[in-house]
Amino acid sequence: DQQVKQNSPSLSVQEGRISILNCDYTNSMFDYFLWYKKYPAEGPTFLISISSIKDKNEDGRFTVFLNKSAKHLSLHIVPSQPGDSAVYFCAASAVARGGATNKLIFGTGTLLAVQP
Amino acid sequence: DSGVTQTPKHLITATGQRVTLRCSPRSGDLSVYWYQQSLDQGLQFLIQYYNGEERAKGNILERFSAQQFPDLHSELNLSSLELGDSALYFCASSSRPFREGRREKLFFGSGTQLSVL
Repeated sequence: DQQVKQNSPSLSVQEGRISILNCDYTNSMFDYFLWYKKYPAEGPTFLISISSIKDKNEDGRFTVFLNKSAKHLSLHIVPSQPGDSAVYFCAASAVARGGATNKLIFGTGTLLAVQP
Repeated sequence: DSGVTQTPKHLITATGQRVTLRCSPRSGDLSVYWYQQSLDQGLQFLIQYYNGEERAKGNILERFSAQQFPDLHSELNLSSLELGDSALYFCASSSRPFREGRREKLFFGSGTQLSVL
């Protein structure tokens, strides 16, 4: 049961244009969402996050939008740069009983290729 | 550099064998998480330890086990290995559990690539 879904395995964008990566989730208990970026031969690195009390969070060229009613979030990268080419993972977490864990549930990732 | 160290980076072994993957969390981090990434799969959560105790369990096979030692490093033991266990295994760390009032992001190591032949 895939609770976090990234339905686009890959995306190709021209340098300078906007990249939009999408993510859907099914578990209504998720209340914290993150995006991670992964380069080959490296571990995932944190990019940006959003709490369910917000619908938008911005950090430089990166903006995450959350639509709770649709159980959908998206990552916008503007303008896209060749160095943004990587696999992007969406992740979510829910408050566990007793607050004992920050475990993240990940999607399958989207490979972004930014063409010069 | 995330500060999370995983060894070895690559491991090649045969079916039926047993291996141990090691993880050192960031300095001061108390929680260690193990994830498995198979081909075309996202990161699957295996298990979490906090300050030496198991805190959460995911889809971890009975052939797999983990522990966290007093110095906070962790080991993931994989036994009776099968071809399907070939994957990238990541360790991540964070500083404290949610109950202390703040959501923590996870910091990942660069992974151990396990190949079972």
